[in-house]
Amino acid sequence: NAGVTQTPKFRILKIGQSMTLQCTQDMNHNYMYWYRQDPGMGLKLIYYSVGAGITDKGEVPNGYNVSRSTTEDFPLRLELAAPSQTSVYFCASSLRQVGYTFGSGTRLTVV
Amino acid sequence: DAKTTQPPSMDCAEGRAANLPCNHSTISGNEYVYWYRQIHSQGPQYIIHGLKNNETNEMASLIITEDRKSSTLILPHATLRDTAVYYCIVRVDYKLSFGAGTTVTVRA
Repeated sequence: NAGVTQTPKFRILKIGQSMTLQCTQDMNHNYMYWYRQDPGMGLKLIYYSVGAGITDKGEVPNGYNVSRSTTEDFPLRLELAAPSQTSVYFCASSLRQVGYTFGSGTRLTVV
Repeated sequence: DAKTTQPPSMDCAEGRAANLPCNHSTISGNEYVYWYRQIHSQGPQYIIHGLKNNETNEMASLIITEDRKSSTLILPHATLRDTAVYYCIVRVDYKLSFGAGTTVTVRA
């Protein structure tokens, strides 16, 4: 039981490049989330999903896209990377509103 | 959503109880109080949650005042591994928002 797995752990992107942050969970959780955390700050919700085929915007969705084709996977897509997207990205899942399980994070630098 | 107010930092001696306050004076009747912590850049870890009653689990105790306008997270015997940022969150649904939290430093 791996929990929530995020890949890659680190990535450096050039401005304008695209990439997909992968997130998968093996706990059969229906809720999944993407957060970003800037240095010294709390976490901000980017997108969330309440089940396969259903996604919705959080607080800071601009510049990102998501999809949820299966219960297990919730990838986050950056289409045109900007320096403002330099951050640590956390994926999480939960069964209901109790007890989020977070991944270990992806540290992204856009230069 | 109810806004929460936490002290930015606090110190605690190893082996002593750590009492972390949180004010949520605008909380509504169906909003839960959640506590999470984040140890040095790892993903946040769920600690405990409650609605009205006090709660206890293997990690901590949560004391919610009768008017629900504030709560206290109690770590009964703090260890060095409890050094972390602790987040108090108030929500009615599953979309949790994490503020700046309280940086707790446990000292030997």
